[in-house]
Parts: sequence; C-alpha cells; structure tokens
Amino acid sequence: ILNVEQSPQSLHVQEGDSTNFTCSFPSSNFYALHWYRWETAKSPEALFVMTLNGDEKKKGRISATLNTKEGYSYLYIKGSQPEDSATYLCAFGNYGQNFVFGPGTRLSVLP
Amino acid sequence: NAGVTQTPKFRVLKTGQSMTLLCAQDMNHEYMYWYRQDPGMGLRLIHYSVGEGTTAKGEVPDGYNVSRLKKQNFLLGLESAAPSQTSVYFCASRTGQSSYNEQFFGPGTRLTVL
Repeated sequence: ILNVEQSPQSLHVQEGDSTNFTCSFPSSNFYALHWYRWETAKSPEALFVMTLNGDEKKKGRISATLNTKEGYSYLYIKGSQPEDSATYLCAFGNYGQNFVFGPGTRLSVLP
Repeated sequence: NAGVTQTPKFRVLKTGQSMTLLCAQDMNHEYMYWYRQDPGMGLRLIHYSVGEGTTAKGEVPDGYNVSRLKKQNFLLGLESAAPSQTSVYFCASRTGQSSYNEQFFGPGTRLTVL
C-alpha cells in the first residue's frame, strides 16, 4: 500500500500570515499529484493537478510546487484569510491506479 | 448540473441493521468511488467502479457491498452494520482512469452505528 504523508497535521495562523505545508509521496512511478481544499461540512474541491517535476501552480494567494525526484509538494498560502480555513488534502496518482490520499493538513486562520 | 449527489445526508443505525447509500452523478463519468473518512486517517477507498456493471475492492472493503447497475448511480450497502462503520462516507467520480483527471466529490453521508 502506497503511503502519502502530510505535515503538519494541523496549524493555526493569524490573519495576514503566510504559511506552507508539505505532502510527501513515493518518488517512483509518479504520474500526478492533486491538491484539494476541503471546507468543513462541504466536499473536497480540486485546487491543482501537478504532473511535471518543478511544476509550480498558482491560484490567487495559493500556490504549489512539485519535486517528483524527492517525492514532495509544498502548498503555500500568502497573507492567510479566515476563509482559507479548511483541510488541505493531497492525492498521489500513478498511471492506472487509484488515488492515494494523504491525511490532510487542517488550517485555522484566526482573525 | 448537480454534479455528485449523495442520499441520505445523515443516518443513525443500530448494530445489525442494513442500509444502502446512494450516489448519483450527472457528468457521464465512467469511474466512481466510495470512500470513508475517519479522524486522522484521511480518505480510505472502500470500493470503486470503472464502468456500468463493474465493481472492484479498494483498501477497506470488508463489511460493504456495491453495485453499479446504471452508469450514473453507485450504491454502497451495509448488510449488517457495526459500530466500526461509524464514519463519514464520500462518493466521488471522474471521467477516466488517467491520474491527470480530478475527482469530483459528493457532499458526504454521516453514518452513526449504535
């Protein structure tokens, strides 16, 4: 069974702070890495799909980078806002296989 | 376009009772999935389907059965519920098996087994 890890498990930041967290995945047979944003009482929504080593994706104040050789991806949030509070999931995919989800990082942004 | 819907949203069962969770998608997706989500454990795959009439076991299939009689529907059954099946259940679908394709999730079903 493939292992996908995320750290930290949870964090609290003040409004306006920038923050980042990590997704670690197997570096072999990599095909894609997905980031999802999951608000409480809602369903996960896709943020990014990343496929190439060195990929960097950006959506507003949120960006992500990918290192497939060492098996990690970082998600950055610049100037956190209370509405950024959510659990951020990463999902590892290798070709023809189902996604393996990490346990998530729960972010709380305090006003 | 409703996306992925799940019925019911909440349910409380007694040990030994049975129930069926319904997932429906209107995006013509081939692949559908059932996950359970437990604190600190992320999403774990129960069963999945790669097309109408097909099903396959995921990571944690014991105690569950599934059926995909129609492309748009994926049913998850609990024949004899146990307290260990208390969880939040999410259905998801995607257009193909390529790992490039994102999964679309339903709103979840919160199940409590007493």
